[in-house]
Amino acid sequence: GNSVTQMEGPVTLSEEAFLTINCTYTATGYPSLFWYVQYPGEGLQLLLKATKADDKGSNKGFEATYRKETTSFHLEKGSVQVSDSAVYFCALSRMDSSYKLIFGSGTRLLVRP
Amino acid sequence: EAGVAQSPRYKIIEKRQSVAFWCNPISGHATLYWYQQILGQGPKLLIQFQNNGVVDDSQLPKDRFSAERLKGVDSTLKIQPAKLEDSAVYLCASSLGYGTSASTDTQYFGPGTRLTVL
Repeated sequence: GNSVTQMEGPVTLSEEAFLTINCTYTATGYPSLFWYVQYPGEGLQLLLKATKADDKGSNKGFEATYRKETTSFHLEKGSVQVSDSAVYFCALSRMDSSYKLIFGSGTRLLVRP
Repeated sequence: EAGVAQSPRYKIIEKRQSVAFWCNPISGHATLYWYQQILGQGPKLLIQFQNNGVVDDSQLPKDRFSAERLKGVDSTLKIQPAKLEDSAVYLCASSLGYGTSASTDTQYFGPGTRLTVL
């Protein structure tokens, strides 16, 4: 079946450090891939997405590239800020599954000043 | 543009009691989703509506959970009777509706309702 695997957290970084959060998926066909972010006390917000192989999604300095050969969609940011502290969820959806989102378990990021 | 609205934000009940959650999606969004997010896990789909019809309710525990979207706009999710393991955040999301473009499948989430069952 379809599934998403994320690296376990928490990930603790100092401000201005480089961030990578790994995400791999299992799915037939060509799913759409997403990163959602959940700030403390808030709902899920779409961070970025990619809908086909080799697409790069980007937003707020975050980037992720859809790699079909490695079934991955790793999230990266060159210089994190304290305000990036949140839980990050990788997810996929497929048209033939009515576009329901299948989420990974989430990775908590803590950025220290 | 107003986002997805949910109420209440928090609810505490005792086991075997009933509870209902309300969701109002973004205006013009045909598809509405209810997800359950247990602490430390990613959200899991409970039910999906397209207008007022059910598209997917395969993960909904139908012996205790029910949901409706009578006029194709807002929706309610009910639990009766509640169990301890129902403690979770219940998230509502909406999207334009599946069609010919992948961009229409982007889901926007409400703030969620945190349910505690004692």
